[in-house]
Amino acid sequence: AQSVSQHNHHVILSEAASLELGCNYSYGGTVNLFWYVQYPGQHLQLLLKYFSGDPLVKGIKGFEAEFIKSKFSFNLRKPSVQWSDTAEYFCAVTYNNNDMRFGAGTRLTVKP
Amino acid sequence: DAGVIQSPRHEVTEMGQEVTLRCKPISGHDYLFWYRQTMMRGLELLIYFNNNVPIDDSGMPEDRFSAKMPNASFSTLKIQPSEPRDSAVYFCASRRLAGEYNEQFFGPGTRLTVL
Repeated sequence: AQSVSQHNHHVILSEAASLELGCNYSYGGTVNLFWYVQYPGQHLQLLLKYFSGDPLVKGIKGFEAEFIKSKFSFNLRKPSVQWSDTAEYFCAVTYNNNDMRFGAGTRLTVKP
Repeated sequence: DAGVIQSPRHEVTEMGQEVTLRCKPISGHDYLFWYRQTMMRGLELLIYFNNNVPIDDSGMPEDRFSAKMPNASFSTLKIQPSEPRDSAVYFCASRRLAGEYNEQFFGPGTRLTVL
C-alpha cells in the first residue's frame, strides 16, 4: 500500500538552530509532494509543494524542501528556526492525482 | 474566497446522540475530503468525494459514520450514535481536479467532544 513515513515524532531545537525533517514515501507512480504546517489550535496550511521541475522547492517563512527521486524522499529544511515555528509538520503525497496521503506528523518545539 | 467553511467549530454532546458536521468547500473545487485527527492516530482520511460522488470510504471507521454530498457546495458527516472514542477534530478539505491546483485547502475543523 502507498504510504508516507516521517521519521521524527518530536523534535526539540533552540532558536537559530537548523532544521531538517525527514519524509519518505512508497513508490506508486506519478507523485506530487507537499508539506503542511499546523500551528497550535489551527488548521493545516500549505508550506510548499512540488509538482515538477527544480527538485529544490522554496516555500513560505524560509522553508525549503528537496525532492530526491532516487531516495523517495522529500525532506523539509530551514537554516535557522524561530520560536514561532513551533508547530506540527505533515508531509503529504498524492499518487496519480488521487487522494492525498499524510505522514504521521512531526511535532517541532523551538525553545526561545 | 472565504476558504473551506466548517460548522460548528465546537460540538459537545452526550454518548448516543446524533452528531452532524457540515462543510462548504471552496467554490469550483472538484474534490472534498473528510479527515479525523486525534493524538493517538494522527490525521486519518475518512472519505472523499469527486464531483459529489463518494470515491473511497474505506477510512470510515464504522457504520455509525456516514457522509453525504448532495451538491457541489455542501457536505455532511454524520455520526449516529456517537461514542466517547469519536472525540476528535474533524477537518474538511477541498481541491481542484489535478495539475497545478492539486493543493488541498483545509477548513478550520470541528472539535467534537462526546461525553
